[in-house]
Amino acid sequence: EAEVAQSPRYKITEKSQAVAFWCDPISGHATLYWYRQILGQGPELLVQFQDESVVDDSQLPKDRFSAERLKGVDSTLKIQPAELGDSAMYLCASSPGYGYTFGSGTRLTVV
Amino acid sequence: GNSVTQMEGPVTLSEEAFLTINCTYTATGYPSLFWYVQYPGEGLQLLLKATKADDKGSNKGFEATYRKETTSFHLEKGSVQVSDSAVYFCALSRLNTGTASKLTFGTGTRLQVTL
Repeated sequence: EAEVAQSPRYKITEKSQAVAFWCDPISGHATLYWYRQILGQGPELLVQFQDESVVDDSQLPKDRFSAERLKGVDSTLKIQPAELGDSAMYLCASSPGYGYTFGSGTRLTVV
Repeated sequence: GNSVTQMEGPVTLSEEAFLTINCTYTATGYPSLFWYVQYPGEGLQLLLKATKADDKGSNKGFEATYRKETTSFHLEKGSVQVSDSAVYFCALSRLNTGTASKLTFGTGTRLQVTL
């Protein structure tokens, strides 16, 4: 069964450092999402791509977060500089236009 | 805007007990409704879904019925097992717009099942 791949699985970084996460969606899935899940809460959308274009980044803190999907396939989410409040699970999901498949996530701890 | 409200957890049940987790939603138009399950340290797995009013989604003994009149999608299972211990998320999306719109999640309900 096809999966959404995410790496790294866990990341510990110091405050003010840069950190990046990678997501490889299921082949052929045009839509890709990055969600942030703070401990004890539901996931919240950070950014949505349709192919290589950003569809929704209204909740992305653009002063420190950036996301790209250059060739409309895999995607990178970057935080620079990281803050203590960024500690969370970062989930990637993809969709062919109906249904969603989630990756296992990257657990970020900022110390 | 769209929103989902779930009952607060944790919910603690004995094995073989009946489970209900309440979920209500606010949305424009006719959303699709989902239940996702998250095991410790893992991503989200789709448990079941319903795309229109009165649809019943079911999977692994879990059921939920899309009730438009009460804007609800309560999750039920007749007999829970220890292996059902996890966090359950209710969510909605506007799949019927023709594009894969984002999922809006509730805050999650932790279920703990004991022997």
